[in-house]
Amino acid sequence: DQQVKQNSPSLSVQEGRISILNCDYTNSMFDYFLWYKKYPAEGPTFLISISSIKDKNEDGRFTVFLNKSAKHLSLHIVPSQPGDSAVYFCAGNTGGFKTIFGAGTRLFVKA
Amino acid sequence: GAVVSQHPSRVICKSGTSVKIECRSLDFQATTMFWYRQFPKQSLMLMATSNEGSKATYEQGVEKDKFLINHASLTLSTLTVTSAHPEDSSFYICSAGSSTSYEQYFGPGTRLTVT
Repeated sequence: DQQVKQNSPSLSVQEGRISILNCDYTNSMFDYFLWYKKYPAEGPTFLISISSIKDKNEDGRFTVFLNKSAKHLSLHIVPSQPGDSAVYFCAGNTGGFKTIFGAGTRLFVKA
Repeated sequence: GAVVSQHPSRVICKSGTSVKIECRSLDFQATTMFWYRQFPKQSLMLMATSNEGSKATYEQGVEKDKFLINHASLTLSTLTVTSAHPEDSSFYICSAGSSTSYEQYFGPGTRLTVT
């Protein structure tokens, strides 16, 4: 049962433009969502999170939007930079220690 | 964020041998450590959760006798893949968590290849 789904395996964006990475979830018990960024042969690093009681959280170039009724969240990166090229994982947490990850979306930012 | 290291970063072993992977939390007291494996182009799959000083909790479908996890201290957890087979070849990643945050701090991962 895939509780967290990232349906786009890859996304290509021009430098300076906006990158929008999408994530859908099925578990309505998630009360916290996180985005992680991963470079090849490295572990994921935490990027940004959002509580289920919020609909937006912004940190510099990164903004996460949450639509609870649609069980959908998205990560916006603007402006996109070549160094943003990586795999982005969406994850949900039910308040315990267990975090469920999506399959990831590979972002390519072209110079 | 906290620094988590893994050793070795890459290991090749013969089928039937055992391999130990270490995960160290260098600047953070990790009450909980997680072990994941990642297949190519797939998500991080949680294998087990270990709390310091107690037995690990394994996810459904993960053989606890094959993947031995020890979390003897707040800074060290080990994963031993016993009697490894080629299908165990994967990227194994550990992470450290705390009771005060949802964030996890990931190690750089270990690429295991079983020949």
